[in-house]
Amino acid sequence: DVKVTQSSRYLVKRTGEKVFLECVQDMDHENMFWYRQDPGLGLRLIYFSYDVKMKEKGDIPEGYSVSREKKERFSLILESASTNQTSMYLCASSFRDSYYEQYFGPGTRLTVT
Amino acid sequence: QQQVKQSPQSLIVQKGGISIINCAYENTAFDYFPWYQQFPGKGPALLIAIRPDVSEKKEGRFTISFNKSAKQFSLHIMDSQPGDSATYFCAAPAVDSNYQLIWGAGTKLIIKP
Repeated sequence: DVKVTQSSRYLVKRTGEKVFLECVQDMDHENMFWYRQDPGLGLRLIYFSYDVKMKEKGDIPEGYSVSREKKERFSLILESASTNQTSMYLCASSFRDSYYEQYFGPGTRLTVT
Repeated sequence: QQQVKQSPQSLIVQKGGISIINCAYENTAFDYFPWYQQFPGKGPALLIAIRPDVSEKKEGRFTISFNKSAKQFSLHIMDSQPGDSATYFCAAPAVDSNYQLIWGAGTKLIIKP
C-alpha cells in the first residue's frame, strides 16, 4: 500500500518561530509537492521538487523554503511563521511523468498564534 | 494566471440521485485532467482522470465528460450514496509546467440518506 506520511497532524507555533514540516514517501516517486489548502481556494502549490536537491517555485512560495536531500523526503520550512500562514499543509508525491496522479499525505493543520 | 473555475461550491443530493460537478478551464496543456476526492481528515485521492482527446470516461458510478470546444469538463456520480459525501476537486495540467496541476476550489458534496 502506497504511503505518504507527514510528521505532524496538528502543530501550534508562535509568530516569528521557524517551522519545519516533514514529508516522507515510500513509493520511489521522483516528484514531490507541497500545497496549502484553504477553504474556497482549493489547493495552491507552494513548491515542488522533481529530483533530489532540485526544486521549483509554485504559485505561492513567499515566506517558505524547501529542502530535498533524499529522494523519499521533502521538507517545508517556514522561516519566520506569520498568522497568515495558518492553514492546512498537504504533501504529495508522484512518478515523474504521471504528475496528474498524486498521492497525498493526511495533512498538517498549522496554527500560528 | 491560469485558472480552473469549479461549481457549485456545495451540493446536496438525495441518495440514489445524480451528482454533477462542473469545471471550466482557460489555457491548458494537452494532458490528463484528474478529479480528486477528499474525505474529512484525509488528503485528496485520485478518483478518475481523462485525456482531452476523449469525450467521456466511465468508472463504475463515476463518469467524466469532456467538452474541448467549450473548455469544460464535468464529473457525474450516478446513484449517489452517503459514502460519496466528500469534497471533490477538479484539476487541469498547467500550460507552462511539466509537473503542475491547476486546481479548482472544490465542491463539498453531501448525499442525504
